[in-house]
Amino acid sequence: TQLLEQSPQFLSIQEGENLTVYCNSSSVFSSLQWYRQEPGEGPVLLVTVVTGGEVKKLKRLTFQFGDARKDSSLHITAAQPGDTGLYLCTTGTYKYIFGTGTRLKVLA
Amino acid sequence: NAGVTQTPKFRILKIGQSMTLQCTQDMNHNYMYWYRQDPGMGLKLIYYSVGAGITDKGEVPNGYNVSRSTTEDFPLRLELAAPSQTSVYFCASSYSQYNEQFFGPGTRLTVL
Repeated sequence: TQLLEQSPQFLSIQEGENLTVYCNSSSVFSSLQWYRQEPGEGPVLLVTVVTGGEVKKLKRLTFQFGDARKDSSLHITAAQPGDTGLYLCTTGTYKYIFGTGTRLKVLA
Repeated sequence: NAGVTQTPKFRILKIGQSMTLQCTQDMNHNYMYWYRQDPGMGLKLIYYSVGAGITDKGEVPNGYNVSRSTTEDFPLRLELAAPSQTSVYFCASSYSQYNEQFFGPGTRLTVL
């Protein structure tokens, strides 16, 4: 069974700082999605990465997919309080597996 | 456009009681999913469906049942509730297995 490990588990930073969170697997990903979940709500898709080495940008968020498709990272530049939430990575085709998440808190 | 709706939002059950969590989507998606999320954790797949009349087990199906008689509805049935089923339950849908999942707002269930 494929397992997804996310690190760090918790991150508390000041507004304006940069940060990177990671998602790693012992197996090759077919594709990988990143979601953000705010308190009391369901997750919302941020990005899907498919090709090894792929880099995607979404405003201040940069997503990388490892060349071997076994790891991915999410980098946030100049974090803002609105970035606060639980960041989840997931993979699969209808039998989805989610990582345990990185809980980010950005302090004003 | 409502997207994915779930009822109820909150529920407290006594051990041994049964209940059905409702999930409806209005996007004509074929794929639907039920997840549970325990405190501070990611989501674990309970059951999924690839179309009306077709369901299959996910990672943690024990203690749950599902049915899919229509494209829109995917109810989750809990029989003989146990404290271990205390969790937040999310329903989701997607157009295909490669597309974005749209999640409902969740049902917070406590079993005492």
